[in-house]
Amino acid sequence: EVQLVESGGGLVQPGGSLRLSCAASGFTFSNYWMHWVRQAPGEGLVWISTIKSDGSVTSYAGSVKGRFTISRDNAKNTLYLQINSLRAEDTAVYYCSCIAADYWGQGTLVTVSS
Amino acid sequence: EIVLTQSPATLSLSPGERATLSCRASQSVGNYLAWYQQKPGQAPRLLISDASNRATGIPARFSGSGSGTDFTLTISSLEPEDFAVYYCQQRSNWVTFGGGTKVEIK
Repeated sequence: EVQLVESGGGLVQPGGSLRLSCAASGFTFSNYWMHWVRQAPGEGLVWISTIKSDGSVTSYAGSVKGRFTISRDNAKNTLYLQINSLRAEDTAVYYCSCIAADYWGQGTLVTVSS
Repeated sequence: EIVLTQSPATLSLSPGERATLSCRASQSVGNYLAWYQQKPGQAPRLLISDASNRATGIPARFSGSGSGTDFTLTISSLEPEDFAVYYCQQRSNWVTFGGGTKVEIK
C-alpha cells in the first residue's frame, strides 16, 4: 500500500522555523519527482516546490523562494521542507505529493501566530 | 509562471444536471493539464490527466477536453457525491493550480 505521511507541523511564532517531513512507502521513492503543495484555510491549492528524483534539481514558487528549502533522502525514503522566516500567510495544510503517480499525503497543518 | 484561471468560481446545479467547468492558461500548456476533485478535509483526487484521460476508477460521466490554453471538465449528469471543489493543474512548466470551481447543490 502506498503511503505518504507528513509530520512536523504545528504552531509557530512569526519569524520562526519548521522542518516538515514526508515519509514514503509502498513505491520506489527514488524514481519520482516529489512536490509540496499547500492550502490555506478555506482557500485553494497552491504549488510550493518540486525536487527531482535524485535531488539535483529544485524549483520554488515565487512566494516562498529564499525562505523554503526542499530536500530529500532517498536512502530514508523521506522528503523534507525547511521553512524559515514564517509569516501569518504561511498558515496552511502542507501536502507532499508524487503528482506523476497521484500519491498524496494527508497533510500537516502549520499555524503561524503569536 | 503559468497562471490558470478557472470559471465560474461557483456553479449551482441540481443532481442530474450537466456541469461544465472551464480552465484557461496564460500560455500554452499543450495537453499537460489535469483536473482534481477535492472534498472538505481530504487530499485532492485526480480525475483527468493529459487533458482528456480519465484516471483509474473515475466514472465515465467525467470527461475532459481542450488543448493549448483552453480546457473544459464536463460532468454529464451530477451525482450527489460530485458536489465538491474542482481544480485544474498544469504540468507543462513546473506546476500550478487554478483557483478552483465549487460545484454546489442548487
